[in-house]
Amino acid sequence: AQSVAQPEDQVNVAEGNPLTVKCTYSVSGNPYLFWYVQYPNRGLQFLLKYITGDNLVKGSYGFEAEFNKSQTSFHLKKPSALVSDSALYFCAVRENNAGNNRKLIWGLGTSLAVNP
Amino acid sequence: KAGVTQTPRYLIKTRGQQVTLSCSPISGHRSVSWYQQTPGQGLQFLFEYFSETQRNKGNFPGRFSGRQFSNSRSEMNVSTLELGDSALYLCASSIEAGALGTADTQYFGPGTRLTVL
Repeated sequence: AQSVAQPEDQVNVAEGNPLTVKCTYSVSGNPYLFWYVQYPNRGLQFLLKYITGDNLVKGSYGFEAEFNKSQTSFHLKKPSALVSDSALYFCAVRENNAGNNRKLIWGLGTSLAVNP
Repeated sequence: KAGVTQTPRYLIKTRGQQVTLSCSPISGHRSVSWYQQTPGQGLQFLFEYFSETQRNKGNFPGRFSGRQFSNSRSEMNVSTLELGDSALYLCASSIEAGALGTADTQYFGPGTRLTVL
């Protein structure tokens, strides 16, 4: 069965330090992988996605993610965290096929707190 | 280009009532998906519509229904509301070219916060 795991409910990091939000997945075939961010009382905002090619994907607001096929992971990273990065982060995966089963499978989210 | 809009933003209903939520996708987007978000369950997929047809459906009871109009706008309806239906309901749209190898990004609206008393 397809699944996405975000093993950490919460991540705390000091401002200026690098941050990592982890995501692992289970899907048959080659996956499409996404990261979204949600600020309080807001909808989700798209950060970045991996389709194919370079394993390091760069996205919005200085975020990047590294696709690791052997470890089935897609961790979100940022070299220097900002207090304004504090939010809820979601990882999602979808199978790479043209069929009707195109729905996204979502992780439960990781709450990131960046401390000044 | 305007983003995904959802109306209303907040709703308070009582048990047993029904509710209709509306979503207007980004212009040119043909696919609309609905999600229920609660603190304990995360994002739960409700259904997806494409060209006025329901293409995918999540594991929700029949009290939850939806439809899509010819202009791609979508509505979802929840009948006989229960306390557990209190949640943030999110709508997302995508271009949905449909070809193999595409990975259409879903763009989300701000959500409708439904409170059932």
